[in-house]
Amino acid sequence: DAGVTQSPTHLIKTRGQQVTLRCSPKSGHDTVSWYQQALGQGPQFIFQYYEEEERQRGNFPDRFSGHQFPNYSSELNVNALLLGDSALYLCASSYLAGAKTQYFGPGTRLLVL
Amino acid sequence: KNEVEQSPQNLTAQEGEFITINCSYSVGISALHWLQQHPGGGIVSLFMLSSGKKKHGRLIATINIQEKHSSLHITASHPRDSAVYICAVIRRNGNQFYFGTGTSLTVIP
Repeated sequence: DAGVTQSPTHLIKTRGQQVTLRCSPKSGHDTVSWYQQALGQGPQFIFQYYEEEERQRGNFPDRFSGHQFPNYSSELNVNALLLGDSALYLCASSYLAGAKTQYFGPGTRLLVL
Repeated sequence: KNEVEQSPQNLTAQEGEFITINCSYSVGISALHWLQQHPGGGIVSLFMLSSGKKKHGRLIATINIQEKHSSLHITASHPRDSAVYICAVIRRNGNQFYFGTGTSLTVIP
C-alpha cells in the first residue's frame, strides 16, 4: 500500500519562474492538503482540495494555486517565484475533508535563487 | 501570536535521559497530534489525542483539555530519537492543522 508520494524531491528555480509540485495521496484517500515549511519553522497551511475543488485556504497569495484530478492526485503551482518561497512543501492526504488524521508525504524541497 | 506554542525550541540530552516536550494552544480543538520529522523532511504521526494519555513503546503523550496543554515524553532516550517533534492541533469545527514551530531534539550517545 503506497503512502503519500511527492515529486520532485528537490527543485531549484530562479526568481520570477513558475513551479509545479505533484502529490499522489495514500490509497483510499480523497483529500489533499498542502503545507509550506520554511527552515526552522512549523508547516503553514496553504490549501486543501476535496472533490476537485479548493475547500479551504490559508493566508497565501494568489500566486499559489492548485488543482486536484479525478484520481485524487494534486498539483501545487507557484507563479512569479520569490526568494522567500524557498521552503519544504509538504502534501498530506486524508479520507474525507473532515478527517482528523492526515498522512504526510516526504516533501519537495524548493530553492529559489 | 501563534495558536500553538512549543517548548523548548532546542533540546540536547544524553542517551538514557527522560525527555519532556511541551505544547500549549490557545484555541478550542477537536484533536492534537504529535509528529516526528527527521532530516530530509518526511513527517510521521506519532499520536493523535483528544483526551487523556497514550503510550507507544518509549513514547508517552498526555493532554489536558481544560488547561489547553499537552506533553510528549520519551523514556530511556536513544540517539535514533534525534529529530524535530512538532505539535499540531485541529481546531474545533475545522479540519486543517495548525502547527507549532517544533522542538529539535538531539540525543548524544
